[in-house]
Amino acid sequence: SQQGEEDPQALSIQEGENATMNCSYKTSINNLQWYRQNSGRGLVHLILIRSNEREKHSGRLRVTLDTSKKSSSLLITASRAADTASYFCATAYSGAGSYQLTFGKGTKLSVIP
Amino acid sequence: DADVTQTPRNRITKTGKRIMLECSQTKGHDRMYWYRQDPGLGLRLIYYSFDVKDINKGEISDGYSVSRQAQAKFSLSLESAIPNQTALYFCATSPPAGGYNEQFFGPGTRLTVL
Repeated sequence: SQQGEEDPQALSIQEGENATMNCSYKTSINNLQWYRQNSGRGLVHLILIRSNEREKHSGRLRVTLDTSKKSSSLLITASRAADTASYFCATAYSGAGSYQLTFGKGTKLSVIP
Repeated sequence: DADVTQTPRNRITKTGKRIMLECSQTKGHDRMYWYRQDPGLGLRLIYYSFDVKDINKGEISDGYSVSRQAQAKFSLSLESAIPNQTALYFCATSPPAGGYNEQFFGPGTRLTVL
């Protein structure tokens, strides 16, 4: 499977703390994306980082990508209770005709007020 | 109004029944996808379509079929539902450029097969 793997599976922090989630993958990618899913709802795209980029910011989100280690991290700074959700990484592969995203199993983040 | 809608939102059915899940989008995207989500397994791709005349199998297409009736509509059918098809089903769309863009998800259909 080309599936990305998030780590940790679950994370519980206090409001105001930073949350870091990691994603590892197995093969060359075109880009890596992070999505958020509130309980039982559809996924919402957060940020996309291309294979030639090393770091990207969007508001309180910071994503890094290390293609040599085939890994990415998502940092949420100054967390809020509303950040409680599951977070998924998704990888887009470089193979010919491969226009699919492959999702990991997710990290469940709980932010305690 | 939601850009990607799915009907029904919840469905309970019995083993052996034929079920159709429908997806409509107003985003004008050419590309549409069907995923299923099971606890602890993340999302897995069932089928995808890049335009009305293009249908492709995903990772777990067995037991499912799809129909792309128009650019805006993509339906998923379970010909003879079985209990292990109980899951949360999501439709998604993406714009065509490059093929690697972000995807926009519908709210999901929770399907229970008894």
